[in-house]
Amino acid sequence: DAKTTQPNSMESNEEEPVHLPCNHSTISGTDYIHWYRQLPSQGPEYVIHGLTSNVNNRMASLAIAEDRKSSTLILHRATLRDAAVYYCILRLSGNTPLVFGKGTRLSVIA
Amino acid sequence: EPEVTQTPSHQVTQMGQEVILRCVPISNHLYFYWYRQILGQKVEFLVSFYNNEISEKSEIFDDQFSVERPDGSNFTLKIRSTKLEDSAMYFCASSTSGTNTGELFFGEGSRLTVL
Repeated sequence: DAKTTQPNSMESNEEEPVHLPCNHSTISGTDYIHWYRQLPSQGPEYVIHGLTSNVNNRMASLAIAEDRKSSTLILHRATLRDAAVYYCILRLSGNTPLVFGKGTRLSVIA
Repeated sequence: EPEVTQTPSHQVTQMGQEVILRCVPISNHLYFYWYRQILGQKVEFLVSFYNNEISEKSEIFDDQFSVERPDGSNFTLKIRSTKLEDSAMYFCASSTSGTNTGELFFGEGSRLTVL
């Protein structure tokens, strides 16, 4: 499995931006960086993915380092509903399954 | 918004019994997956399915497990003879793409409790 390293937990204040880091030093050229999250008692939910360029969508932004060995998921304004486990996953080329690690547990404080 | 639906939401069974967990993927999706999550642990890949065949399976997916798409809409996971360690949350997922750009849509899960 292509390996990613994330902090076990992070804390944020409500309505503040959150930067969730991920290291993936063994990434290869065709691996996509995916982020999913899992809210309490729910199934995983897609957040965003990218290859080389930074990506934005309605949920978050993904900043990818120039050497692609790390990335950061940015939640621009954390809400209580964003409290979840966030998973950074390298999806290898081909029809390969999504393999989850332990992720980062984000707590949001009101 | 289309969603993946799973039934039952919770099933309690005796050890050694057969269990079938059902999933209705999003209608135009072609790639289907089962994952499980033992309480307090990470989400684990079990199996992927495309064109009525298993594409890939993990070490967890042994002979006790099978998957089927019996009628073009449902996608089922069968556990032939349940063990205590099969107690977990089982998530079905589907996708339009099997490549590494594809987004997986997950259901809410079926909780299996084996006594």
